[in-house]
Amino acid sequence: ETGVTQTPRHLVMGMTNKKSLKCEQHLGHNAMYWYKQSAKKPLELMFVYNFKEQTENNSVPSRFSPECPNSSHLFLHLHTLQPEDSALYLCASSQESGDSYNEQFFGPGTRLTVL
Amino acid sequence: KNQVEQSPQSLIILEGKNCTLQCNYTVSPFSNLRWYKQDTGRGPVSLTIMTFSENTKSNGRYTATLDADTKQSSLHITASQLSDSASYICVVRNNNAGNMLTFGGGTRLMVKP
Repeated sequence: ETGVTQTPRHLVMGMTNKKSLKCEQHLGHNAMYWYKQSAKKPLELMFVYNFKEQTENNSVPSRFSPECPNSSHLFLHLHTLQPEDSALYLCASSQESGDSYNEQFFGPGTRLTVL
Repeated sequence: KNQVEQSPQSLIILEGKNCTLQCNYTVSPFSNLRWYKQDTGRGPVSLTIMTFSENTKSNGRYTATLDADTKQSSLHITASQLSDSASYICVVRNNNAGNMLTFGGGTRLMVKP
């Protein structure tokens, strides 16, 4: 295992539901990331947190709301999603976000289906 | 525009055979290039990182090459095993203030017995 855990692993929700994805890293890292992975498309960076501060929001719709209460935990709150938001959502962590050689360690992802 | 193109999109080979995956990029200025392996239902795991001055690097049966002049990288897998079945993702980092990552679309490899 990579030291990054994500829950739930699978989630099915309706367009009017509100749900949250959780990520936890046990590596002592200071940076955490949310990515979206859709079928046959490259990974898309959504948000970056460095030392609990959001340093990047990659033009993500407001129906996705991140929260980083501390360097070990990252949440993605979901509300009024669309079917095209169905994808694998990956969380990653690294020592710091600004270091060129820092390896990002990924969690197993949450497979989200929006009906 | 920074882009990373991988080929082929998918590949099927027999167990024990070798294969080579390609990655072409336009990212500039270049900092480094990583190859990740992503098993089905799991997150990507780093196989190797290549910097500007490195031409080749091995990690067991995986050998990555980098030609920074032509902006091409390859990942060669020797004596493939069933466990090599996965997606292989090329990721290039630029060397400006943002240190942004650009991800390739991946090559899906299936090794058959």
